Amino acid sequence: GNSVTQMEGPVTLSEEAFLTINCTYTATGYPSLFWYVQYPGEGLQLLLKATKADDKGSNKGFEATYRKETTSFHLEKGSVQVSDSAVYFCALKGGATNKLIFGTGTLLAVQP
Amino acid sequence: GAVVSQHPSWVICKSGTSVKIECRSLDFQATTMFWYRQFPKQSLMLMATSNEGSKATYEQGVEKDKFLINHASLTLSTLTVTSAHPEDSSFYICSATGTNTGELFFGEGSRLTVL
Repeated sequence: GNSVTQMEGPVTLSEEAFLTINCTYTATGYPSLFWYVQYPGEGLQLLLKATKADDKGSNKGFEATYRKETTSFHLEKGSVQVSDSAVYFCALKGGATNKLIFGTGTLLAVQP
Repeated sequence: GAVVSQHPSWVICKSGTSVKIECRSLDFQATTMFWYRQFPKQSLMLMATSNEGSKATYEQGVEKDKFLINHASLTLSTLTVTSAHPEDSSFYICSATGTNTGELFFGEGSRLTVL
């Protein structure tokens, strides 16, 4: 079945450091891929998405490229800020339903 | 964006009691709502899908008599954990989608602790 694997956290970075959070997936067909972010005390929010191979999703300085050849959707940001501290979830949606399959989440802590 | 609100955000109860968690879409009509459960350091596990006015569809391994889901209106779904036990302690999250958008909007989550 469909599944998502993302790197374990926590990831601790200094402000302005480069961020990569790895995400790989297993799916039949051509799923849509998502990154969600959960700030402390809040619900999950859609950060970015990509619906087909080679698409690049981007938002708030974050980017992720849908790589079908490596079944990956790694999240990157060139310069993180303290306000980026949150839990990041990689997810996929495949088939005709709206069911989202989530990774385990990666806690990012950015220190000033 | 659209807002989904859960209540209560946290609840502590005694073993054997039942607890109800509400999920409301505040500014849109939610035709479909999803209930997830999140264990520490684990991914969100889909428990069930509910469509307004019909019975919920439960994922494999989820006890429907244990986790009662009602979606009686286009803005409200409830999850009732019946005869709760300590192993039911978890973080429960709902999400909703409307007719005009395929995007899912998530509630803040409800943390249940069963003593």
